[in-house]
Amino acid sequence: GENVEQHPSTLSVQEGDSAVIKCTYSDSASNYFPWYKQELGKRPQLIIDIRSNVGEKKDQRIAVTLNKTAKHFSLHITETQPEDSAVYFCALQAGTALIFGKGTTLSVSS
Amino acid sequence: DAGITQSPRYKITETGRQVTLMCHQTWSHSYMFWYRQDLGHGLRLIYYSAAADITDKGEVPDGYVVSRSKTENFPLTLESATRSQTSVYFCASSVIGENTEAFFGQGTRLTVV
Repeated sequence: GENVEQHPSTLSVQEGDSAVIKCTYSDSASNYFPWYKQELGKRPQLIIDIRSNVGEKKDQRIAVTLNKTAKHFSLHITETQPEDSAVYFCALQAGTALIFGKGTTLSVSS
Repeated sequence: DAGITQSPRYKITETGRQVTLMCHQTWSHSYMFWYRQDLGHGLRLIYYSAAADITDKGEVPDGYVVSRSKTENFPLTLESATRSQTSVYFCASSVIGENTEAFFGQGTRLTVV
């Protein structure tokens, strides 16, 4: 079945720095690539998504890039803040369900 | 946030017992999903459903049973609980299943002793 590799598994940055999380996949049929944020003890929530007809999408301090040829997509967070500390999951559409990466724990220290 | 709710929030059960986790959504979303979350494994798909009376297996279906007699409910049953099924279970729903956001419930923490 479809597999999504997510790196790194943990990421520690200083407040104000940028953070980048990368995911690679194998199924070229995927056309939808969302990113979810999960705060401690909470449910995963969508923060940004990208579709295969778009190479980059931005929403304030977060951006996602997609390279379908190389089969990877990345989440970029600029000017990180302590409230960005959470687990981030990449995902892709596989048929009618989302398949998730294993997650990246981002810690932002002030 | 009240659109999709799970119950119970916490459950402790013994090995071999049957346990059912409930999921209810008020949006009339067609698609519903069950995931389990374990450290080091992320979110893994157990079962999903495209509509009432239509269900299909995900990545890790063994030991689980689902049903969907009504659009709004999607219960997950562990027929004979094992310690390896100790996990946090999330139910999710989406409007059309493809290329759209999935909305998650608040999760059920299940411990099998």
